[in-house]
Amino acid sequence: DAKTTQPPSMDCAEGRAANLPCNHSTISGNEYVYWYRQIHSQGPQYIIHGLKNNETNEMASLIITEDRKSSTLILPHATLRDTAVYYCISLSGYALNFGKGTSLLVTP
Amino acid sequence: KAGVTQTPRYLIKTRGQQVTLSCSPISGHRSVSWYQQTPGQGLQFLFEYFSETQRNKGNFPGRFSGRQFSNSRSEMNVSTLELGDSALYLCASSSFDSGKSYNEQFFGPGTRLTVL
Repeated sequence: DAKTTQPPSMDCAEGRAANLPCNHSTISGNEYVYWYRQIHSQGPQYIIHGLKNNETNEMASLIITEDRKSSTLILPHATLRDTAVYYCISLSGYALNFGKGTSLLVTP
Repeated sequence: KAGVTQTPRYLIKTRGQQVTLSCSPISGHRSVSWYQQTPGQGLQFLFEYFSETQRNKGNFPGRFSGRQFSNSRSEMNVSTLELGDSALYLCASSSFDSGKSYNEQFFGPGTRLTVL
């Protein structure tokens, strides 16, 4: 499984877009990129996943570079409830290998 | 649909004891995974069960074991508890729907285990 690298922390003003980067330079061709988040004291929550194409759902957008070595999770209008640790994960099996993640703080 | 439930939510044990944690997946989900979360190591994969068979296993000692029942409910057991086993133990279930590119895992609230 590919190793992922994320900045340890980021800040974002409420109402603005939060762009969370992830580097996965060793990703292989059949490995998906997944994003989960964990709000304090809760279990992780699935956000979105993708392989090659950009993806969008009701929670976020995922932009994957053409060479698939990095991706960006976009929360279009961050709210205070989006304050959480965001994990970028790549794998080809069923085990989720969480790294340290990015602690996102959304401020009023 | 009810979410993933885990019991108990909190547990205090002493070194050398053993403990059993329980997980009830979302109705219809046949895959159950277990994770350990500690401040130092973060979230680490323990094992995954599907249709009562262990399909994947993380890098944990044999003191950590699990099983899955015919109704997909799962238990994990830790024997000879050590101080370092204090952690949040999370269970996740998945629908394993072959029609989707990936089956996201739904996590329960976890069991907080403290070993004294």
